[in-house]
Amino acid sequence: DQQVKQNSPSLSVQEGRISILNCDYTNSMFDYFLWYKKYPAEGPTFLISISSIKDKNEDGRFTVFLNKSAKHLSLHIVPSQPGDSAVYFCAASAHTGNQFYFGTGTSLTVIP
Amino acid sequence: DTGVSQNPRHKITKRGQNVTFRCDPISEHNRLYWYRQTLGQGPEFLTYFQNEAQLEKSRLLSDRFSAERPKGSFSTLEIQRTEQGDSAMYLCASSPWAGGPSSYEQYFGPGTRLTVT
Repeated sequence: DQQVKQNSPSLSVQEGRISILNCDYTNSMFDYFLWYKKYPAEGPTFLISISSIKDKNEDGRFTVFLNKSAKHLSLHIVPSQPGDSAVYFCAASAHTGNQFYFGTGTSLTVIP
Repeated sequence: DTGVSQNPRHKITKRGQNVTFRCDPISEHNRLYWYRQTLGQGPEFLTYFQNEAQLEKSRLLSDRFSAERPKGSFSTLEIQRTEQGDSAMYLCASSPWAGGPSSYEQYFGPGTRLTVT
């Protein structure tokens, strides 16, 4: 039972353009959402997060949008850079932080 | 920078053998999580500790799996009587849980790749 879903396994974007990665969830008890970036042979690295009381959070080139009614979040990267090429996972947790549920990941390739 | 470390990085074992992995979290982090990741999937929660107490275990964690975190420092994950289906990357993460926003940010180690032949 996949409670967090990333339906696009891969995405290719030209350098300088916007990358949009999507994530859907099913559990209305989720309170906190995070994006992680993963390079090969490394563990995931925290990128950006958003609480359910917000609909947008921005950190430099990265912005996460949350649409609670649609149970959907997205990560925008503007402008995309070749170094952004990695696998991106979205994750969700209830407010207790006891368990985190991860999506299956989207592999982003930024073409120079 | 002392991040999360995991040892060994790779482990090859024969079916039926026992294996143990170690995770050293960031020293001031009170929460420690174990995940399993297979090819094409995201990390899958196994269990977590707050200090030395194991507070939650996934129903996926069979009785062949046991984890400890003595004195709230490093943690070990042991798999007894390994099966081929146990082949995966085992990830450890830690976080400085205090209830605020930064509490949710987990710092992952590089993982231990287990291959059961």
